[in-house]
Amino acid sequence: NAGVTQTPKFRILKIGQSMTLQCTQDMNHNYMYWYRQDPGMGLKLIYYSVGAGITDKGEVPNGYNVSRSTTEDFPLRLELAAPSQTSVYFCASSLVRELFFGEGSRLTVL
Amino acid sequence: DAKTTQPNSMESNEEEPVHLPCNHSTISGTDYIHWYRQLPSQGPEYVIHGLTSNVNNRMASLAIAEDRKSSTLILHRATLRDAAVYYCILRAGNDYKLSFGAGTTVTVRA
Repeated sequence: NAGVTQTPKFRILKIGQSMTLQCTQDMNHNYMYWYRQDPGMGLKLIYYSVGAGITDKGEVPNGYNVSRSTTEDFPLRLELAAPSQTSVYFCASSLVRELFFGEGSRLTVL
Repeated sequence: DAKTTQPNSMESNEEEPVHLPCNHSTISGTDYIHWYRQLPSQGPEYVIHGLTSNVNNRMASLAIAEDRKSSTLILHRATLRDAAVYYCILRAGNDYKLSFGAGTTVTVRA
C-alpha cells in the first residue's frame, strides 16, 4: 500500500517551459487535492477534485491546470512556468475526513 | 471561512507535555476542528479532529472548550520526533477542503 505517490521529487524548469506533476493514490479515495507551499508559509490549495471527471479551483489556480480521468490519478499541469511558481507542491487524497499527503515535489523555476 | 489563531512558536522539553492553543471565536455549529502536523521536509499528516467532545487517540488529545471558541492539542510526552509545525484548521461539515494557516512551530529540547 503506497498511499499517495508524487513524481518527480525535484525539478528545475526554465521560465516559459511547461511540465506535469504526477500524483497517484492507491486507496480508492474520491477526493484529491493539489497544494503549494512557499518557504515559511502554510499550504495553499490550487485545485481539488471530488471524483473522476470533476475538478474545481482552489485559492491559487492561476497558471495551473488539472485533469481527473481516473480515480487514482490527478496530474497538475504548469503552463509557461514563472519564477513565482517556485514552490513545494503537495498532492493529497481523502475518503471522508482525513487527508493523506504525498512527500511533495520541489520545483524551481529559473 | 472561519479563521483560527495560533501562537507562532512554542518550545518544550523532551518527555514533558505540550499544550498547543488554538482560538476560533467565529466557529460555526457545523465546523469540525482538525489538527495536522508537518515534520521537516515532509507533507502534513493528520493528528486528530473533533466537533464538541474531547477526543483522544494514540498521537494526542484534543480538548475543546465548552463554547467551542478555543481548543487545545495536547501531546502527552513530547519526543524529538514531535518537533514540527502544527496546524489547527476548521472544516465545515459539508466541505472537503482544508485551508492551512501558518501554524505553530514546536521545538523540542533534548
